Amino acid sequence: GQQLNQSPQSMFIQEGEDVSMNCTSSSIFNTWLWYKQDPGEGPVLLIALYKAGELTSNGRLTAQFGITRKDSFLNISASIPSDVGIYFCAGRQYNNNDMRFGAGTRLTVKP
Amino acid sequence: NAGVTQTPKFQVLKTGQSMTLQCAQDMNHEYMSWYRQDPGMGLRLIHYSVGAGITDQGEVPNGYNVSRSTTEDFPLRLLSAAPSQTSVYFCASSLLARGGNEQFFGPGTRLTVL
Repeated sequence: GQQLNQSPQSMFIQEGEDVSMNCTSSSIFNTWLWYKQDPGEGPVLLIALYKAGELTSNGRLTAQFGITRKDSFLNISASIPSDVGIYFCAGRQYNNNDMRFGAGTRLTVKP
Repeated sequence: NAGVTQTPKFQVLKTGQSMTLQCAQDMNHEYMSWYRQDPGMGLRLIHYSVGAGITDQGEVPNGYNVSRSTTEDFPLRLLSAAPSQTSVYFCASSLLARGGNEQFFGPGTRLTVL
């Protein structure tokens, strides 16, 4: 199946810094989603993107659906300690019920 | 709403044993799915269902069976557990009108096969 390449694998940042992570694929995706997972919990949806070029915000989080439909990025501004966790991108291709996930970006925020 | 619930939270099995992981949702979602999560590999889709009586395979279906007799429940069966099935298993659901996107995940079942 089509793989999603998510980078970076991990990030160590200072509280207040901005964060950027991205997801790429060699194939076109119709939907891109970003999830966050806290330790011992299931992933929670942050942002869903449905149109190429779409830019969507959710508080301090902003995500974009790449114009080529092969990538997406997530930005977190002014990070805070509760942003700690693993962030996953996920994508779905047209007429395909199979959703693929990236391997995740582990974010650590130092107070 | 309880959302998506999974039982048990933890399970230890011996090789060759069988068991069923339970998943239920009370949001009237048509789409339900099972994923496994292994270190460094993200989540991989095992099986999914777009409605009662309809199931299909995902990326890694071997060694697992599912059935969907009601909208609410979507159990995952391991017929003969193997150490390679040691993983964290997540059940998820969403509205089919959203194309199965925007999934709500359960808290997970941590399975160890010895």
